[in-house]
Amino acid sequence: AQSVAQPEDQVNVAEGNPLTVKCTYSVSGNPYLFWYVQYPNRGLQFLLKYITGDNLVKGSYGFEAEFNKSQTSFHLKKPSALVSDSALYFCAVRDDGGGSYIPTFGRGTSLIVHP
Amino acid sequence: DSGVTQTPKHLITATGQRVTLRCSPRSGDLSVYWYQQSLDQGLQFLIQYYNGEERAKGNILERFSAQQFPDLHSELNLSSLELGDSALYFCASSSLLVGGRVDTQYFGPGTRLTVL
Repeated sequence: AQSVAQPEDQVNVAEGNPLTVKCTYSVSGNPYLFWYVQYPNRGLQFLLKYITGDNLVKGSYGFEAEFNKSQTSFHLKKPSALVSDSALYFCAVRDDGGGSYIPTFGRGTSLIVHP
Repeated sequence: DSGVTQTPKHLITATGQRVTLRCSPRSGDLSVYWYQQSLDQGLQFLIQYYNGEERAKGNILERFSAQQFPDLHSELNLSSLELGDSALYFCASSSLLVGGRVDTQYFGPGTRLTVL
């Protein structure tokens, strides 16, 4: 079975400061991990994914995520936050050891970047 | 723009009614997924179609049904609507998934359904 948790409903950060949005997962095999962003009244936009290889994955809009197998985490990061980064962020996981091709999404974390 | 289109953008209807939501996947994508997003339930997977056939089923109510047509567009039918069906309905598409290959889902802009 696969599951994902986003432990923070909301993250507040000042513009220009680094940001981290947390995600932890549970799978029986190897994880495939995704981050999506949702702006108000819009669909989810793909940011980045981890399948295999380097633990640091770079994605769109200056975001990156670090895969940590021992901590079963895949935190989203950005060195310097922008007000325009304010949005809802979703982490998703798919278990390569399971029979389903459907990823499980977290409940989302609202990121608020203050000017 | 993800390349996935959904119509209509907004839909307001009454309890007991039936509606149809439409989705056109990205060019070349064979898989279509339907999701429901509500404040209390988060993003819930409903159903997946691959090249016209049902591939996976999630938390889809019996009052809801879907199909994928030969041109690969998909429709989600919601019937006997209840107040609690008010939500955002998203369609996503991806390309072929075989042998453990991992494809990214690309989401449409959604249809906001309001049941009064």
